[in-house]
This record gives sequence, C-alpha cells and structure tokens, in this order.
Amino acid sequence: GQNIDQPTEMTATEGAIVQINCTYQTSGFNGLFWYQQHAGEAPTFLSYNVLDGLEEKGRFSSFLSRSKGYSYLLLKELQMKDSASYLCAVRMRGQTGANNLFFGTGTRLTVIP
Amino acid sequence: ETGVTQTPRHLVMGMTNKKSLKCEQHLGHNAMYWYKQSAKKPLELMFVYSLEERVENNSVPSRFSPECPNSSHLFLHLHTLQPEDSALYLCASSQDDVSDSGNTIYFGEGSWLTVV
Repeated sequence: GQNIDQPTEMTATEGAIVQINCTYQTSGFNGLFWYQQHAGEAPTFLSYNVLDGLEEKGRFSSFLSRSKGYSYLLLKELQMKDSASYLCAVRMRGQTGANNLFFGTGTRLTVIP
Repeated sequence: ETGVTQTPRHLVMGMTNKKSLKCEQHLGHNAMYWYKQSAKKPLELMFVYSLEERVENNSVPSRFSPECPNSSHLFLHLHTLQPEDSALYLCASSQDDVSDSGNTIYFGEGSWLTVV
C-alpha cells in the first residue's frame, strides 16, 4: 500500500517563495512526481525525482530524500497564475511489473497580491 | 494540448443508463490509465493497460468496465452507476519502459460525469 500526505491548503504572497511538503510510505518506490492542476483542467507535469537531491527547473525546484520518505516542491517568485493544486505522486512498480502512479490529495495554493 | 483527448467532456446520465467514455492518445505510448478524481480525495487509480493488456484493476466495481482495443484508444463503459460515482474521470498515458523509470504520465482534460 501507500500513504502519501501533503497539506490541504496553503496561502502565499505574490513574489514570495513557498515550499509544499510531501511525505510518503510505500513499497516498490520508483520515483516521485509533482503535478500542477488548475481548476477544471488536467494535471500537468512539473518535476520528477528518483535519486536523492534537488532538481531545479526555472522557478520550480523539487527535492527528494528516499530514506526519509520526503519530498518538497519549492516555488520561487510566485505569480498569481501559480494559484492551483499541486499534486505529489509516487510511482511504484506493481506485482505485474507495470508502473503505477499514486497521488496524494493535493495542496491547493492560493497566491495573494 | 497534452496529446491525450477525452470525450465527452461532460456527461449527465441516469442510474439505469449505459454510456461510455472515450480516450485517445497521440503520443505513441504503450500504457494507458483511468483515474477517478472526486472532491477532496486523491486521484484514484482505477485501471492500467500496458501493451493493450489490463495489468491493474484496483478493486473497481463491475459497473465500470474498461476496454482497450489498441494502444491508442481506451474506453470506460458505464452501466447502472450510482450518484456517488459522479466525479471527474481522467485518462492518462505513458511510455512504460522497464529500463527507464523517468517516463511521465500525461493526462487528458477529463470527463465530468454526473449521475442523477
């Protein structure tokens, strides 16, 4: 099974930095993904970590510690358009060999002026 | 445009109706998925197809019946649904390669289903 936890809601100010945490307990770990989902739209891929450390991609960075079952998504220079839900997802290779992606509940981020 | 197209975008059906959701991916991927998204709940993995074979079925009620006629198309057949089945149903695809674990899952826009 898998338990993936992230805060339900966060609020941050335009131009600031925000860190969204995700903890997980799972077997067969095969990577951690972050997705962004605006209301009424499909989730879109933001980042992927499979090794420990920080992956930076523009204003967004993602960190992984496999030993701690912990990841965070860091958003810098926040913009109003960053208001969305951020989904943490853990990939596991199942018994049949297929890669399955399991999601947390998502963190709804509201950026205020 | 993510390369994964779902139709219809919105569907209202009665509990005795039979309807189908359709998904088509234009990315050349070999794996396709159905997810259910309900308010305040995580995305729930329903079915996984890899190379057109169903490889995962996460205890989904039999009133949901998937079909994958080829690697580009995926259907979800719906029959005698309940009001609690009202949700956003998301289709996704990926290139599932044992040698590379970094393959991203791409989602369609989803089909909003309301059961009345």
